[in-house]
Amino acid sequence: QKEVEQNSGPLSVPEGAIASLNCTYSDRGSQSFFWYRQYSGKSPELIMFIYSNGDKEDGRFTAQLNKASQYVSLLIRDSQPSDSATYLCAVKGASGTYKYIFGTGTRLKVLA
Amino acid sequence: DAMVIQNPRYQVTQFGKPVTLSCSQTLNHNVMYWYQQKSSQAPKLLFHYYDKDFNNEADTPDNFQSRRPNTSFCFLDIRSPGLGDAAMYLCATSRDLGGGYTFGSGTRLTVV
Repeated sequence: QKEVEQNSGPLSVPEGAIASLNCTYSDRGSQSFFWYRQYSGKSPELIMFIYSNGDKEDGRFTAQLNKASQYVSLLIRDSQPSDSATYLCAVKGASGTYKYIFGTGTRLKVLA
Repeated sequence: DAMVIQNPRYQVTQFGKPVTLSCSQTLNHNVMYWYQQKSSQAPKLLFHYYDKDFNNEADTPDNFQSRRPNTSFCFLDIRSPGLGDAAMYLCATSRDLGGGYTFGSGTRLTVV
């Protein structure tokens, strides 16, 4: 069974701090990695994707991928209370597969 | 704005009474997905359409059916809802298999 694992949290950080969210996956052939933000009672919203090893930055968000260690992380700089949400990691498997495997998400709380 | 729209936002149905959830998109994406998400759980893929080709997940109960009459619309039919089917149902689209998703706002189904 291919798995994507995330710490459920809650992860609490003070306003203005860096929030670090981690995700590990079991399928070594995985190729595409996505981070979705989901506010309580709402649908997920795509915020970042990454395909290659290394870092990818978009505004206050940085996605980091290490395929050798099979983890992907999301850093949120200058965290704001509005960032408080559940962050879902989604992983797409090897070429030819279409299915994403979602993690159960990490709940982030940014304290004002 | 191009978007994915789900109706209704909230649906209450009686145990065993058929119910249909709808999803429409103006993105002209090829792929439409239906996910079921229960509280604090990862979204679970039920099925997807690539254009007119229907793909059912192996563990999707027969109680769940889907129709895609045209590119823009996709329906989820639950033939005999049980209490265990109460969940958020998420419609998502992507341009092609493997791309990032655009989710609709979801339909929260309650079974009484």
